Amino acid sequence: AQSVTQLDSQVPVFEEAPVELRCNYSSSVSVYLFWYVQYPNQGLQLLLKYLSGSTLVKGINGFEAEFNKSQTSFHLRKPSVHISDTAEYFCAVSGTYKYIFGTGTRLKVLA
Amino acid sequence: EAGVAQSPRYKIIEKRQSVAFWCNPISGHATLYWYQQILGQGPKLLIQFQNNGVVDDSQLPKDRFSAERLKGVDSTLKIQPAKLEDSAVYLCASSPGRGETQYFGPGTRLLVL
Repeated sequence: AQSVTQLDSQVPVFEEAPVELRCNYSSSVSVYLFWYVQYPNQGLQLLLKYLSGSTLVKGINGFEAEFNKSQTSFHLRKPSVHISDTAEYFCAVSGTYKYIFGTGTRLKVLA
Repeated sequence: EAGVAQSPRYKIIEKRQSVAFWCNPISGHATLYWYQQILGQGPKLLIQFQNNGVVDDSQLPKDRFSAERLKGVDSTLKIQPAKLEDSAVYLCASSPGRGETQYFGPGTRLLVL
């Protein structure tokens, strides 16, 4: 069985400050890991993904995430956020064929 | 490359009525997903197709929801009869294969009164 936990439902942060959105997973098989973003009134789009290889993955819009197998985590980071990063962020895990999304973290960037 | 298309974008119905949503995935994508996203929650998988076969429908309320993908291309999701708690955004996504990056459509926002 697989599960995904996003520990923070909301994260407020000031513009130009760094941010980390946390994601932990559990799985009995090897997994692929994803972060998706959903801007207000828009569909989900892929930010980045980890399939294999380097544990540090870089995505669009300056985001990156690090796969930590021992801690079963895949936290998302950005060194300096912009107002336009305000959105809902979803972590997802895929193992075998099942695809499971976390409950989401609402990032609110404050001016 | 055209993205995932969904229609309608918005639908308002009364409880006990029926409604159908349509999805056209990206050309060549074998896997198609339907999700229900209730306000403030993450997407919940309703059904997953691999070509025209069902891979996972464990969370589909089969007494009222049905879905088909007859020719392995576009798909229809139906609710009959609708309940108030079905108010949500219904998302369709497709991917080249199982477990790969999913590409989402804009969603259909359903309001059941």
